[in-house]
Amino acid sequence: SQQGEEDPQALSIQEGENATMNCSYKTSINNLQWYRQNSGRGLVHLILIRSNEREKHSGRLRVTLDTSKKSSSLLITASRAADTASYFCATDATGNQFYFGTGTSLTVIP
Amino acid sequence: EAGVAQSPRYKIIEKRQSVAFWCNPISGHATLYWYQQILGQGPKLLIQFQNNGVVDDSQLPKDRFSAERLKGVDSTLKIQPAKLEDSAVYLCASSLEFGYEQYFGPGTRLTVT
Repeated sequence: SQQGEEDPQALSIQEGENATMNCSYKTSINNLQWYRQNSGRGLVHLILIRSNEREKHSGRLRVTLDTSKKSSSLLITASRAADTASYFCATDATGNQFYFGTGTSLTVIP
Repeated sequence: EAGVAQSPRYKIIEKRQSVAFWCNPISGHATLYWYQQILGQGPKLLIQFQNNGVVDDSQLPKDRFSAERLKGVDSTLKIQPAKLEDSAVYLCASSLEFGYEQYFGPGTRLTVT
């Protein structure tokens, strides 16, 4: 089974609102990454957070990591229609195993 | 910088036939990954190479799937014989080293009829 699970499975918001999606995983990790996938650009890396980090920012993205709860969250602020995509967390588990989650489908309504 | 190249982009075959996919990673990237992505699901790692050695192939159906990475650069993934459930998008990705961000190719959409 896959390592990560995103929640919610689907999210629909108005342009300008913030979007938050969560990821839970099962085993110890070295780092956690977030990726975006849309039909136009395929899978694109967004941000990487290492297991010894708690929060990381990149532009309108904010990622948090709680290793005690084995969970992470991705916040997209001031969303745009172009943010419409599926978002996946991916974990680099100890033992050099890499797993993608099930994904959150985000729709931003103009 | 050139991205990850994959070919073909689309392939339609009948069940029990064989098929091969090709991937050319970003120059200098030591780690190469093959993923299978079924519609509506996240990518599933099939095999991971570090240079030309296999690091993880625990989710590769070895009775029908095989992959190689000759000279630590290009890679091919083969399915023989194909089954209906192999219909999916096959993604290739590369990274500088394991644990770094991955760069994905456009994928090959395989339809098995």
